[in-house]
Parts: sequence; C-alpha cells; structure tokens
Amino acid sequence: AQTVTQSQPEMSVQEAETVTLSCTYDTSESDYYLFWYKQPPSRQMILVIRQEAYKQQNATENRFSVNFQKAAKSFSLKISDSQLGDAAMYFCAYRRGGGGADGLTFGKGTHLIIQP
Amino acid sequence: DTAVSQTPKYLVTQMGNDKSIKCEQNLGHDTMYWYKQDSKKFLKIMFSYNNKELIINETVPNRFSPKSPDKAHLNLHINSLELGDSAVYFCASSHDRVGQPQHFGDGTRLSIL
Repeated sequence: AQTVTQSQPEMSVQEAETVTLSCTYDTSESDYYLFWYKQPPSRQMILVIRQEAYKQQNATENRFSVNFQKAAKSFSLKISDSQLGDAAMYFCAYRRGGGGADGLTFGKGTHLIIQP
Repeated sequence: DTAVSQTPKYLVTQMGNDKSIKCEQNLGHDTMYWYKQDSKKFLKIMFSYNNKELIINETVPNRFSPKSPDKAHLNLHINSLELGDSAVYFCASSHDRVGQPQHFGDGTRLSIL
C-alpha cells in the first residue's frame, strides 16, 4: 500500500520570504499523480498544485512550485513571496494512475505559520 | 454557485443515534468520495463511488454506508453513532479520468455527546 510522509508538523516563515514544505511517498506503481492541498482555518480543502509522475517538468502555479524527484520519491512544495493568506495546513496527497474510483492518500499535513 | 455542497455543516447528536450527511455536486463529475478528518487533522478515504464500482476502505465500520440516488449525490449514513465517530467528514468529487483533481465540499463537523 502506498504511504505519504510529511516530516514537518509545523513550519514558520517571514512574510515575503520563501518556504519549502517536504513530502515523500512510497509506492510500487509507476503511474501516479501527486497533489498539494491547502486547508485554511475555514476548513475548506483547496487544490494548490498537481504533478503527473510521467512528466519530468516540475509543475508551477504562480508563487507555488514543486520539486518532483521521482527516483527519490520526493515531492516538495515551494512557496515564494509568502503572504499572510498562505497560512494554513498543507497536505501532500497521492493517487495512483489509471481511471476508476481511487481516493487520495494523504500525508499528515504541515501547519504553515506566516510571521508578519 | 457552490460546486460540492454538504449539509449540514455541523451535526451534534447523542451516542447510539443514526444520522445522515448529504452531498451534492454540480460539476458534472462521475466519481464521488467520502473522507474522514480526525482530531489530529489526518484525512483518510472512506468510500469512493462511481457508476461502475464502490470502493470501501476496509477500516471503515459497516455502520457507515454510502447511498447514491444519482450521479450528482452521494450521501453518508451512519448507524449507532459512537464517540469515536466525532470528526469532520468531507465529500469530494472528480471526473473519472486519469489524474483529475478532486474538488472538496466544506466539510461536516460531527460531534457525538
């Protein structure tokens, strides 16, 4: 079974600085997808970024980018120019490839604090 | 225009009761899910369902059952509620195509007295 590990329960960064959240995963599949979700205090689950395992190019979405190292099974999230609104829990998630009704496997989350 | 909506947002009830949480999506997705988020914020899949298959996480007690009247709805029924069922329950949906992201509802906080 696949597992997702987020080794940083909490991270703190100064506003406007850059922070990197770590995620590693374990799978025997070659086809899969990785996601970062953000959960602010409002409890919503918001998709931040998505990465296809077959793509070598790292995904980017504005200030958010990933460092995807397939051989190392590592999928870190970099947030540039941190803003107060980035404060939230961040969850790394895995889904195996292929169609069907598979759910996401989540890590335990990293609580990101933005210092003004 | 809420994409994935859950009702109620809060549910407080007594141990031993039976309750339901409703979920509706207007995104035209064909796959829906239920997740449980415990007090430590850990999210775990409970059910995945589309018109072809129902995948049940083997750790989910059979007191929990999904009911889908149509493709846009997946309700969660819980019988004989226990203290350990207190959690936030999230509904989500996605297209049944490779790698499509899941869209989540706002969650239902269930508190058992």
